[in-house]
Amino acid sequence: QSALTQPRSVSGSPGQSVTISCTGTSSDVGGYNYVSWYQQHPGKAPKLMIYDVSKRPSGVPDRFSGSKSGNTASLTISGLQAEDEADYYCCSYAGSYTGVFGTGTKVTVL
Amino acid sequence: EVQLVESGGGLVQPGRSLRLSCAASGFTFDDYAMHWVRQAPGKGLEWVSGISWNSGSIGYADSVKGRFTISRDNAKNSLYLQMNSLRAEDTALYYCAKAPLGVVIPHFDYWGQGTLVTVSS
Repeated sequence: QSALTQPRSVSGSPGQSVTISCTGTSSDVGGYNYVSWYQQHPGKAPKLMIYDVSKRPSGVPDRFSGSKSGNTASLTISGLQAEDEADYYCCSYAGSYTGVFGTGTKVTVL
Repeated sequence: EVQLVESGGGLVQPGRSLRLSCAASGFTFDDYAMHWVRQAPGKGLEWVSGISWNSGSIGYADSVKGRFTISRDNAKNSLYLQMNSLRAEDTALYYCAKAPLGVVIPHFDYWGQGTLVTVSS
C-alpha cells in the first residue's frame, strides 16, 4: 500500500489549464476503474471532485475532468479560477477492500 | 442534509487505546459503506479502514492492521474505530467518510469535520 505518486505542485494563470498526474501500479490505479479525486482547502474537509476515473458529482463544475491511461490517472482543471487554488488528492481502490491516496498536489493560481 | 459528526479524539499516551465514534444523520445509514481517513498535521490524506453496509466486508491499511478495529451499529447510525497500541505516528485528524455505495470502494461523497488524536507522553 505505497502512496500513489503525484507532483508536489502545479501552477497556472487564470483561464489556463493544469493537469495533475497520479501514478500507481497495476495493483491499484491500473487494475481498477475506481480512481477518485478530492479538493481540500486549508482547514477544511476534502471534497469529492471526480469518481470512477472520470465521473463528476452533481455540483462540480465541468472544468474538472478525469482520465486514466495504464497505471496513471489524471485530473485536468480547465479555465483555472482563483477558487481552484487548493490541495488535490487522488485515491484508488487497491484490492481486498483497501484504498490508497496519492501524495497530494498543491495547485497555485498565479 | 447529510451530517457526520466524529467524537472521541484527544491526547493519549503511546501504547494506550482510544475509541472514535461517528454519528451519522440525513441518510439511510445501513445502505452505505463507511470509512475512516486520517491526516497527520501538515501532511496528506491516508485511508485507514472501510466497512461495508452490513459489516460483511472490512479492510485496513497495513499501517493499522492488527491494532485498529472498525465497526458499525446500524441501529444507532454510528461508525466506530477502536484504536489499540497507539503510536506517535497515529497522531492525526481522523475523518469519518461516507461512501456512495454499500460496498467497500474507497470513494467518499461526504466527510465529517474530523476529530484530533494526539499520541504523546
